[in-house]
Amino acid sequence: GESVGLHLPTLSVQEGDNSIINCAYSNSASDYFIWYKQESGKGPQFIIDIRSNMDKRQGQRVTVLLNKTVKHLSLQIAATQPGDSAVYFCAENGSGNTGKLIFGQGTTLQVKP
Amino acid sequence: GAGVSQSPSNKVTEKGKDVELRCDPISGHTALYWYRQSLGQGLEFLIYFQGNSAPDKSGLPSDRFSAERTGGSVSTLTIQRTQQEDSAVYLCASSVPFLSYTFGSGTRLTVV
Repeated sequence: GESVGLHLPTLSVQEGDNSIINCAYSNSASDYFIWYKQESGKGPQFIIDIRSNMDKRQGQRVTVLLNKTVKHLSLQIAATQPGDSAVYFCAENGSGNTGKLIFGQGTTLQVKP
Repeated sequence: GAGVSQSPSNKVTEKGKDVELRCDPISGHTALYWYRQSLGQGLEFLIYFQGNSAPDKSGLPSDRFSAERTGGSVSTLTIQRTQQEDSAVYLCASSVPFLSYTFGSGTRLTVV
């Protein structure tokens, strides 16, 4: 069945270092991908998205990379800060063009001061 | 409104009771979604409303769960005869179709 998975459940980085969170997706028909950040006690918040006609997109301190050949998505956070500590979810739109997103299980990012 | 509003933010109920969870989507967002998140887990899809189309109920875990969306706006998720395994955070999201979701802060349901 369709699935979106993350390679590591927890990532621990030093404050100021760059973070890379990875995601593998299984549905080659997906053409829209999103990263969400969820802080404790809150709903997920949109970080950045990318469509399949691109392989890289940059935001403020964040970059999303898409490798369609190996169905891999990554989120890079530059100069990681304590406020970046959260659970990060990737999501894909799957097949069928339904508008419904399929979410991965999440990676917890811990930033050490 | 400015964001997706969910109420109540916390709900404690006794096993066997019915509960209703409310979601107020962003004005103009025709798509509305309910997800469930158990402690430390990912997001489990429950149900999806899009405009006047029949809702996608494929994620509802049992017939004790139902949802409705009145007037294309506010949605209510109802859980009948609650069980302890229903304890979770219930998240609502809305979107313009085929774009990213905006989530509410969720309702934390505890069944005792």
